[in-house]
Amino acid sequence: DARVTQTPRHKVTEMGQEVTMRCQPILGHNTVFWYRQTMMQGLELLAYFRNRAPLDDSGMPKDRFSAEMPDATLATLKIQPSEPRDSAVYFCASGILTQGGETQYFGPGTRLLVL
Amino acid sequence: GQQVMQIPQYQHVQEGEDFTTYCNSSTTLSNIQWYKQRPGGHPVFLIQLVKSGEVKKQKRLTFQFGEAKKNSSLHITATQTTDVGTYFCAGPRKTSYDKVIFGPGTSLSVIP
Repeated sequence: DARVTQTPRHKVTEMGQEVTMRCQPILGHNTVFWYRQTMMQGLELLAYFRNRAPLDDSGMPKDRFSAEMPDATLATLKIQPSEPRDSAVYFCASGILTQGGETQYFGPGTRLLVL
Repeated sequence: GQQVMQIPQYQHVQEGEDFTTYCNSSTTLSNIQWYKQRPGGHPVFLIQLVKSGEVKKQKRLTFQFGEAKKNSSLHITATQTTDVGTYFCAGPRKTSYDKVIFGPGTSLSVIP
């Protein structure tokens, strides 16, 4: 069963520290998404890659967040410096774009707590 | 910009009762997808509808895509405690090749 993997699953850090979250998309999928989920804001799209190229990162705070895909098997989301308001669950999802649409497969998420 | 809305935001039902959640888009959608997220879990793809007026069934779940392709519904017959979770609809912004926008979700609680 192919799955999206994310590491770490949980992260507790102090304000000002750098946080790096990693995602391994499903082999063969050509799109990767980063989402942030909180009780207040729901599911927010942060960044979107197609064939490793960033297509849209308008949902991401540019001053502290960065997203990259160094290769087809790895996507990263970095926060530097982290702030308490960044506490949330961060999901990575991968998908295949077809004419009928796109199905997204979500990873288990990284639960981030910034103290 | 395009908005995808869902109602109700929360729904509490007695086990065995039916449940329906509605999804409405401000623009025409090329397709609509439904996802389910269990408490503490991650969203899981349920189904995709593409054609106007399309109806699909998965056991006790019935999904419908509106004739104008701007709304959709998910109906669960005789809810069970395993149906607990948040149900999201999602649709691409313009064409089927555009990124998917998720609705805010409907959170379902089932009282045994």
